[in-house]
Amino acid sequence: GGIITQTPKFLIGQEGQKLTLKCQQNFNHDTMYWYRQDSGKGLRLIYYSITENDLQKGDLSEGYDASREKKSSFSLTVTSAQKNEMAVFLCASSPKGSGNTLYFGEGSRLIVV
Amino acid sequence: GDSVTQTEGLVTLTEGLPVMLNCTYQSTYSPFLFWYVQHLNEAPKLLLKSFTDNKRPEHQGFHATLHKSSSSFHLQKSSAQLSDSALYYCALSDLNNNNAPRFGAGTKLSVKP
Repeated sequence: GGIITQTPKFLIGQEGQKLTLKCQQNFNHDTMYWYRQDSGKGLRLIYYSITENDLQKGDLSEGYDASREKKSSFSLTVTSAQKNEMAVFLCASSPKGSGNTLYFGEGSRLIVV
Repeated sequence: GDSVTQTEGLVTLTEGLPVMLNCTYQSTYSPFLFWYVQHLNEAPKLLLKSFTDNKRPEHQGFHATLHKSSSSFHLQKSSAQLSDSALYYCALSDLNNNNAPRFGAGTKLSVKP
């Protein structure tokens, strides 16, 4: 088995600040994803990456940057934190040939003060 | 583009009664449908996914049938248990397009004694 580790679990920052969330997986999966979870809105795709150094925009990419430095890690940066961005950010990965079955981390909660 | 609709935000029912959570979708190519379950303070995890050969997937008493004619993948269980209380997400992945999975808004299932 494997695990997806998201750090930090809680990220507190000020409005306008640049904030970064990190995700590591030891499944050796090729594809990794970042989703934003808001109550009543489901999970919305921010960015995903099919392989190292690849980046694909999702439906909610504006205001975010992402980086896939190596196969096992995928980071997400909020370029200028806003109070309406307070949400839980979920990282996931999927193995080849699984129809994009997702394995999720436990999430990082962003708090903007 | 691909989309998923879950019409019920909250479903409340009594233990022992049948469960049905609705999911309909729009897909351009060949859809692969999933149900994910998220218990309180946990990561979402796969509950079941559609097969390409029209078999009915089942897991932990839950089942769902992919009906391409009505673009639906409703989740069902014959008898709800207290431990089924959780947030349920329907998701869609488009096999031919290698698109990242898109999610519905989620349905919170609350099972009362």
